[in-house]
Amino acid sequence: SQQGEEDPQALSIQEGENATMNCSYKTSINNLQWYRQNSGRGLVHLILIRSNEREKHSGRLRVTLDTSKKSSSLLITASRAADTASYFCATRSTDSWGKLQFGAGTQVVVTP
Amino acid sequence: DAGVTQSPTHLIKTRGQQVTLRCSPKSGHDTVSWYQQALGQGPQFIFQYYEEEERQRGNFPDRFSGHQFPNYSSELNVNALLLGDSALYLCASSLDSGETQYFGPGTRLLVL
Repeated sequence: SQQGEEDPQALSIQEGENATMNCSYKTSINNLQWYRQNSGRGLVHLILIRSNEREKHSGRLRVTLDTSKKSSSLLITASRAADTASYFCATRSTDSWGKLQFGAGTQVVVTP
Repeated sequence: DAGVTQSPTHLIKTRGQQVTLRCSPKSGHDTVSWYQQALGQGPQFIFQYYEEEERQRGNFPDRFSGHQFPNYSSELNVNALLLGDSALYLCASSLDSGETQYFGPGTRLLVL
């Protein structure tokens, strides 16, 4: 079963616009990570935020984490056509050493 | 520095057959995890290997088994294949002490 739910399931924007997607999860976590997947290939790690952090930035990415609401958001600013991909959040629970639990993903399409 | 590699890239089998998938971790990594990703879904954790032992397992039947070798590479074996085993199989490597898992490009298995 999936740990989290991403919202929206799909997102279509134009180049230059910002893309925001949300993730909710169910258990207590050590950290939450966001991954990108292009066309059913391998996942690329984007950013990790620990449970004691509230916000983190990496280049055009901004991630927030609200552990009281068990939710996270990923913002991609000034999107590019190359950002077209599926984005997944993955959580590492406090009672699970190695296992990452993924949501079903948000499919993002950026049109030139 | 090579990242995580997997072989083969694609595989077609028939129901009832057995399959072996292979993974070489990123240089310096000692932990290997396997995930199954059905079409349109997020990856599901199968199991994790560390020091040649299965350390953690997800909700997969005993038909799914694995092995880790002294050089940290790993194999995933699936016996008595079912149509529902058709999926992208992803291998991820990490340091035992690390939080981030790095994924390979995956093996796409089709069971007819």
